[in-house]
Amino acid sequence: GAVVSQHPSWVICKSGTSVKIECRSLDFQATTMFWYRQFPKQSLMLMATSNEGSKATYEQGVEKDKFLINHASLTLSTLTVTSAHPEDSSFYICSARDLTGTGGIEQYFGPGTRLTVT
Amino acid sequence: RKEVEQDPGPFNVPEGATVAFNCTYSNSASQSFFWYRQDCRKEPKLLMSVYSSGNEDGRFTAQLNRASQYISLLIRDSKLSDSATYLCVARMDSSYKLIFGSGTRLLVRP
Repeated sequence: GAVVSQHPSWVICKSGTSVKIECRSLDFQATTMFWYRQFPKQSLMLMATSNEGSKATYEQGVEKDKFLINHASLTLSTLTVTSAHPEDSSFYICSARDLTGTGGIEQYFGPGTRLTVT
Repeated sequence: RKEVEQDPGPFNVPEGATVAFNCTYSNSASQSFFWYRQDCRKEPKLLMSVYSSGNEDGRFTAQLNRASQYISLLIRDSKLSDSATYLCVARMDSSYKLIFGSGTRLLVRP
């Protein structure tokens, strides 16, 4: 089946630093990738939709200058949390849409990255 | 109002029990629906799609009522391994965005 990887799986950083999270589709091409955030005991909230070769589309309330998304190839999207603060500590999960999907189940999730900002 | 609403639970049931989860969605433009399962500190994993005609996968049965904007999941003969959080999800097929409910936690006890 389709596999999506994320790196790193967990990261601890100091307040004010930036952290980059990578999302890769390993055996398929993904024109669209989605970035979610999940706080403890809450559900996944979509942050942005990342399209290869174009600017990401951010959901309402998500600061695009703080969460920088780059989707430079059909297999890689990155999310950079700039000037991270403790309130950015969360579980960040990406998903990738299989280019060959016919409208059925073709969105695959990465294993997530747990970010802790101290 | 949240776009997808679920009873947060937890549902605490003995092994072998039948348990039902409900979900409602507010955006009538939502076109596809799914149930996902999420284990603690893991990514969500697709359990099954939900169709108006109802669909069954082993011990799991899902149902969609578009008129009342209501989705259900029935789990029969619960196993210890069914313990997890069950997420109700709606999708706008035009954008492929998934809208997650807050999840219903299930605890199956021996």
